[in-house]
Amino acid sequence: EAGVAQSPRYKIIEKRQSVAFWCNPISGHATLYWYQQILGQGPKLLIQFQNNGVVDDSQLPKDRFSAERLKGVDSTLKIQPAKLEDSAVYLCASSPRARGETQYFGPGTRLLVL
Amino acid sequence: DAKTTQPPSMDCAEGRAANLPCNHSTISGNEYVYWYRQIHSQGPQYIIHGLKNNETNEMASLIITEDRKSSTLILPHATLRDTAVYYCIVRLLYGQNFVFGPGTRLSVLP
Repeated sequence: EAGVAQSPRYKIIEKRQSVAFWCNPISGHATLYWYQQILGQGPKLLIQFQNNGVVDDSQLPKDRFSAERLKGVDSTLKIQPAKLEDSAVYLCASSPRARGETQYFGPGTRLLVL
Repeated sequence: DAKTTQPPSMDCAEGRAANLPCNHSTISGNEYVYWYRQIHSQGPQYIIHGLKNNETNEMASLIITEDRKSSTLILPHATLRDTAVYYCIVRLLYGQNFVFGPGTRLSVLP
């Protein structure tokens, strides 16, 4: 069974630029999550999708972050414009059902904002 | 905020058992204890979870105290590949998100 795929693995941009991350969850998983992990901290949930609908985006900085999950499969997370404090690893995870028993994580995208 | 307290770091000799403690004194009766680990440059990986009985799988054992206020994750024969950050999380089985604290950085030494 293929795991959660993410791309790119690394991205370096300058502040005020925009960036987008892509995630392909495990086949058949209805729920998809995006997390932000700042160096030295645990992952923090940004947004959760159930199929193509948003379940929880309470911690998403909506003035600069946006996410979508078209057709209930792949998802993209965008930051526009980026700030220095957005430097982090962005992790995508999926689970078979909403807030289910466990989550499966991708390798993450490491973002550096200069 | 995370509902658990873990030591920031631990060392373990290769081949020995690694015992990682976790305090969760405010755990409620229907909340489970989950353990994940994160190896460098990878996403978190599920290890094990339990409610009140001790649990064992191919990766580890989970020992939960009778009052459920603390637990210990045991890696019976630690290898260098077990070097990682280990997260202890308390949550309902369904219907809650995972809230990650800073975890314990385990270093397995040769």
